[in-house]
Amino acid sequence: NAGVTQTPKFRVLKTGQSMTLLCAQDMNHEYMYWYRQDPGMGLRLIHYSVGEGTTAKGEVPDGYNVSRLKKQNFLLGLESAAPSQTSVYFCASSPSFYEQYFGPGTRLTVT
Amino acid sequence: AQSVTQLDSQVPVFEEAPVELRCNYSSSVSVYLFWYVQYPNQGLQLLLKYLSGSTLVKGINGFEAEFNKSQTSFHLRKPSVHISDTAEYFCAVRGGKLIFGQGTELSVKP
Repeated sequence: NAGVTQTPKFRVLKTGQSMTLLCAQDMNHEYMYWYRQDPGMGLRLIHYSVGEGTTAKGEVPDGYNVSRLKKQNFLLGLESAAPSQTSVYFCASSPSFYEQYFGPGTRLTVT
Repeated sequence: AQSVTQLDSQVPVFEEAPVELRCNYSSSVSVYLFWYVQYPNQGLQLLLKYLSGSTLVKGINGFEAEFNKSQTSFHLRKPSVHISDTAEYFCAVRGGKLIFGQGTELSVKP
């Protein structure tokens, strides 16, 4: 049981490049989330999903898109990366309204 | 609307001393409360949660927290810390969405 995994762990992009972050969970959870973590700002919700085929905007969705084609996977896309998107990205999943289980994070630098 | 405030950004403490990390929240609806811990270069791990019932909640690694509705607080405590408790701690509140505080860095010195 791997829990929540994220790919890749590190990435450096140039401004304007695109990329996709992959989150996978093997706990059969309905809910999945993408957060970004910046110093002194805690975690901020980017997008979330309440089930396969559904997505919704969180607190800071601009510049990001997501897809949940399979229940176990939640993809986060950056179409045209900007330096302001330099951050650590965390994926989480949850079986219910309560606690969330987090992945190890992806450290993204945009130059 | 909900908000969470962690009152200390950094807490230095000596090994085997007690520690309290403070968290206040505001919400117009009933809330569920959580404390998460993040060790360096890792994701967040749930320490404990308050959903209902007893206001004193015990979690992993010897931590506990007390829900105080009148003071809208959910402070985290440990009677004797270890070097291995050095980490960042996040308080979180769920009324509608899950909202995280800004984090408190606990630094345990020998």
